Amino acid sequence: QLQLQESGPGLVKPSETLSLNCTVSGGSISSPYYWGWIRQPPGKGLDWIASFYNAGNTFYNSALKSRVTISVDTSKNHFSLRLDSVTAADTAVYYCARYRLHLGDLSYVKDWGRGTLVTVSS
Amino acid sequence: SYVLTQPPSVSVAPGETTTLTCGGNYIGGKSVHWYQQKPGLAPVVVIYYDSDRPSGIPARFSGSNSGNTATLTISGVEAGDEADYYCQVWDSSSNQYVFGPGTQVTVL
Repeated sequence: QLQLQESGPGLVKPSETLSLNCTVSGGSISSPYYWGWIRQPPGKGLDWIASFYNAGNTFYNSALKSRVTISVDTSKNHFSLRLDSVTAADTAVYYCARYRLHLGDLSYVKDWGRGTLVTVSS
Repeated sequence: SYVLTQPPSVSVAPGETTTLTCGGNYIGGKSVHWYQQKPGLAPVVVIYYDSDRPSGIPARFSGSNSGNTATLTISGVEAGDEADYYCQVWDSSSNQYVFGPGTQVTVL
């Protein structure tokens, strides 16, 4: 059974960098799936951040692309999110996710982490 | 960019049938996936590829997709179906993963 576990600071100051890790157990991030991040501001809907495949092919939310970096460590079976220059609008529950592939494209989210709340505040 | 529309809320009595809509330009040409999210929990896919149901999802959940509207139908609604429901597509023309704004289902 695949498990995804987010970890990182729960509080980040405005203008600083949000950094989160997703540790994968019960499966390999080198397996043929997309992986990535989705967030959800309190009381609001789901907001896709970015997804990658085999640490090569990466897609980004166009609204966030300039501030987002995804990195992958296959030796540790984990991947990371870095979001620069955060503001209060970046306060959200951040989920890491595994996506099904369909004809080479992103499909539905098959597995979700439990999510971690990150608050941007001074 | 591709935009999905969903009604903000729906109320339904137990045992009744409700149909949730997801609107998008020529959405019938895309694969639509539906997620159920209960408070404090991560979403769970209830319908994928327009009308397929994952194992463990009751047959009361069904989906269809045509023209400019995709639908999720919940038949014989139960109290446990009370949740937020999101539709989602992959827009290959812009390489964007798009969620609808969600519909809150309240069971009366």
